[in-house]
Amino acid sequence: DTEVTQTPKHLVMGMTNKKSLKCEQHMGHRAMYWYKQKAKKPPELMFVYSYEKLSINESVPSRFSPECPNSSLLNLHLHALQPEDSALYLCASSDGQGGEKLFFGSGTQLSVL
Amino acid sequence: GNSVTQMEGPVTLSEEAFLTINCTYTATGYPSLFWYVQYPGEGLQLLLKATKADDKGSNKGFEATYRKETTSFHLEKGSVQVSDSAVYFCALIWDTGRRALTFGSGTRLQVQP
Repeated sequence: DTEVTQTPKHLVMGMTNKKSLKCEQHMGHRAMYWYKQKAKKPPELMFVYSYEKLSINESVPSRFSPECPNSSLLNLHLHALQPEDSALYLCASSDGQGGEKLFFGSGTQLSVL
Repeated sequence: GNSVTQMEGPVTLSEEAFLTINCTYTATGYPSLFWYVQYPGEGLQLLLKATKADDKGSNKGFEATYRKETTSFHLEKGSVQVSDSAVYFCALIWDTGRRALTFGSGTRLQVQP
């Protein structure tokens, strides 16, 4: 199994809502990532978890809250988002040995109204 | 700072044409270099990589050579197919310290039959 599975594929939420994005991998990878990708732009790193501990936070606003419950799961909790947060949110994983070969999920397309 | 610069797109080619997508980088130290591809509606996939000067990465007919003297990692393919239509991202990761990918802006390739 070389897949990274993200749910939901699409999400529409209001600025007062609380929602969560989920990501799952069963490749035994020990590093997991959240990226944000705006249309026609490259992915921008948000968070990195290594061995279930947060190792990189790219100064992301606190309305985004990551969580790594175990080595296979990664969540991104969303609260009080702004319309400019609308984007494709990509999860990725790697074997943690160098962060080089990332396996990406197909993403969650988020729209904030 | 550390960065990756790619040629502007879109690049539009006829099937069986020769492809070059330029990528240059600024770096201190000796980064590893990558090309990732994003097909419509999907996450990114690693296409090829090179980890030291003069290395050539290759996959699915695509090639790129790590040129330290020109700080470049241009992507080439001798004969493109319609199925190669996608967005191509050049990326790098440093050999020490913060090991997370930095992506270029991406180049959209459109191959016409």
